[in-house]
Amino acid sequence: EAGVAQSPRYKIIEKRQSVAFWCNPISGHATLYWYQQILGQGPKLLIQFQNNGVVDDSQLPKDRFSAERLKGVDSTLKIQPAKLEDSAVYLCASSLIGSDRGYGYTFGSGTRLTVV
Amino acid sequence: AQSVTQLDSHVSVSEGTPVLLRCNYSSSYSPSLFWYVQHPNKGLQLLLKYTSAATLVKGINGFEAEFKKSETSFHLTKPSAHMSDAAEYFCVVSDPNQAGTALIFGKGTTLSVSS
Repeated sequence: EAGVAQSPRYKIIEKRQSVAFWCNPISGHATLYWYQQILGQGPKLLIQFQNNGVVDDSQLPKDRFSAERLKGVDSTLKIQPAKLEDSAVYLCASSLIGSDRGYGYTFGSGTRLTVV
Repeated sequence: AQSVTQLDSHVSVSEGTPVLLRCNYSSSYSPSLFWYVQHPNKGLQLLLKYTSAATLVKGINGFEAEFKKSETSFHLTKPSAHMSDAAEYFCVVSDPNQAGTALIFGKGTTLSVSS
């Protein structure tokens, strides 16, 4: 089966610019997650979707970050305006069942964002 | 709230010697625990998972981990290290929130393997 697709792989922008990342989960996976992985740290959950609804966005900096999954399939994560501290790898993951205690996760390869 | 603490930020071993990566967890629920590996410029790969069945869990590439409730630990081991094992390893606990499940990652342990 095809994996979790993310694009772009790399992005370099100047601070205060905007950027968007795209994720296409594994077909049939109802739950989609966006994680932020800062260099030297473990990934941190930004937002979790179940179909097209938000389950958890408690750690999403909503003043600058937004995410949507309008049709319950692919998703976009946007940052506007970007700050230097947003430099990180943004990982998308999907799972078949949202309440399965973490089983069946598949991660994408991530988008590496550098803000200069 | 659930969390994991990886006790070593960096572990160095020689090829052919045993590997031990230490992880302690904190959880108010019966936890699900995982170990993930991340090779440079590659995605996260699941090594193994604890599902409340057998306390000794075997994973891919010869890795295994033992769940010890009395010690709140889930250490990762391998009898003999290979050069290809050099990577970043994450201990992970799941957080069964109201409607879904998110993974909570430790800060990671970098494993270096020398010849």
